[in-house]
Amino acid sequence: DIQMTQSPSSLSASVGDRVTITCRASQSISRYLNWYQHKPGTAPRLLIYAASSLQSGVPSRFSGSGSGTDFTLTISSLQPEDFAIYYCQHNYNAPYSFGQGTKLEI
Amino acid sequence: QVQLVQSGSELKKPGASVNISCKASGYTFTHYGMNWVRQAPGQGLEWMAWINTNTGKVTSAQGFTGRFAFSLDTSVSTAYLQISSLKAEDTAVYYCARRVEEGDYYFDPWGQGTLVTVSS
Repeated sequence: DIQMTQSPSSLSASVGDRVTITCRASQSISRYLNWYQHKPGTAPRLLIYAASSLQSGVPSRFSGSGSGTDFTLTISSLQPEDFAIYYCQHNYNAPYSFGQGTKLEI
Repeated sequence: QVQLVQSGSELKKPGASVNISCKASGYTFTHYGMNWVRQAPGQGLEWMAWINTNTGKVTSAQGFTGRFAFSLDTSVSTAYLQISSLKAEDTAVYYCARRVEEGDYYFDPWGQGTLVTVSS
């Protein structure tokens, strides 16, 4: 099974900051990597799919990059509504595991 | 719009069973698979399984066989998760999420989640 490791586990930042979250896969997953935003009590929301494609309706301050085993999610200018937990997830083969999450505190 | 609506919260005693529904609307149900994801209290997201809505075939993670049953009623565009012989450690929020396979693979959208509490 492929293991996904995110860093950091938590992050404090200010409005306007540029933030980067990293995700590492235990083996190459090509670009089968997605990023989700999850706020307590709500449904997780797809932000980025295929490592770098922005889901429709997601603000352009979110971007993704990487391939193989190393990936990043970048928020270019943090907004108050970006307080959430961010998860990476691979879709290379089952089981489609998630990273442990990165809690972003504003 | 594409939407997944799940059944409401459940409070169950150990040993009982629970059935969670996930009703899809806004798209052709059998054109996309359905995933199930668990979030235990204070924990992250854990992928459980996905069901092929054309064939009913289930692909599941280790630990989600036996007591966990994944099914469909395509006539009402609904997927189901049944958990039997409930244990305290089954307490969690359970999400369904549409599986998109259009060259790229991702989960979108997600249901609102169903909280299952197992307590005597």
